[in-house]
Amino acid sequence: GAVVSQHPSWVICKSGTSVKIECRSLDFQATTMFWYRQFPKQSLMLMATSNEGSKATYEQGVEKDKFLINHASLTLSTLTVTSAHPEDSSFYICSARDAGAGNTIYFGEGSWLTVV
Amino acid sequence: AQSVTQPDIHITVSEGASLELRCNYSYGATPYLFWYVQSPGQGLQLLLKYFSGDTLVQGIKGFEAEFKRSQSSFNLRKPSVHWSDAAEYFCAGLSGGGADGLTFGKGTHLIIQP
Repeated sequence: GAVVSQHPSWVICKSGTSVKIECRSLDFQATTMFWYRQFPKQSLMLMATSNEGSKATYEQGVEKDKFLINHASLTLSTLTVTSAHPEDSSFYICSARDAGAGNTIYFGEGSWLTVV
Repeated sequence: AQSVTQPDIHITVSEGASLELRCNYSYGATPYLFWYVQSPGQGLQLLLKYFSGDTLVQGIKGFEAEFKRSQSSFNLRKPSVHWSDAAEYFCAGLSGGGADGLTFGKGTHLIIQP
């Protein structure tokens, strides 16, 4: 099946710094990618929809100035957590929609962010 | 509003026994439906998907799911579970246009007893 690669798998950063997470579709072009956040023992919460070449659409309650999303190419979307705080520590997962496969959505491996 | 419901938070099954995980959906039109599996600390792996056509869908790892419009259900089944099947299972729906992100159920945690 199609592959979505997410990097880094885990990152530890100091409070107040910014962290960038990359999401790449390796064998298909993804005009739409999605960013989710998952708290322990909970389901995934959609943060934003990233569209290639345009601004991301954020879900209600998600701070767009804190979670910057860039989708500069058909295979790469990035999520930057700005001025990170300990409460931003979480598991972040991206997914990409393969329109060529009937809109099947494939997920990356996820990125663990720990803010200390 | 679109929703996906997984009624069972935890399911415990003996190794070798059959498995059925329940999923119900509420959409204006028939959505695209997916089952994903997540092992601890990892991303989600697609098990199978339903778009249209044959209502019995075969997936990877011996899983299958049956779409039942009359019951608004898309239950996941496996005839004989293995210890390695222990994980979190998510049912998800996508509106036909595909422009929005997936709507997830809350997940079912599968425990396998020896």
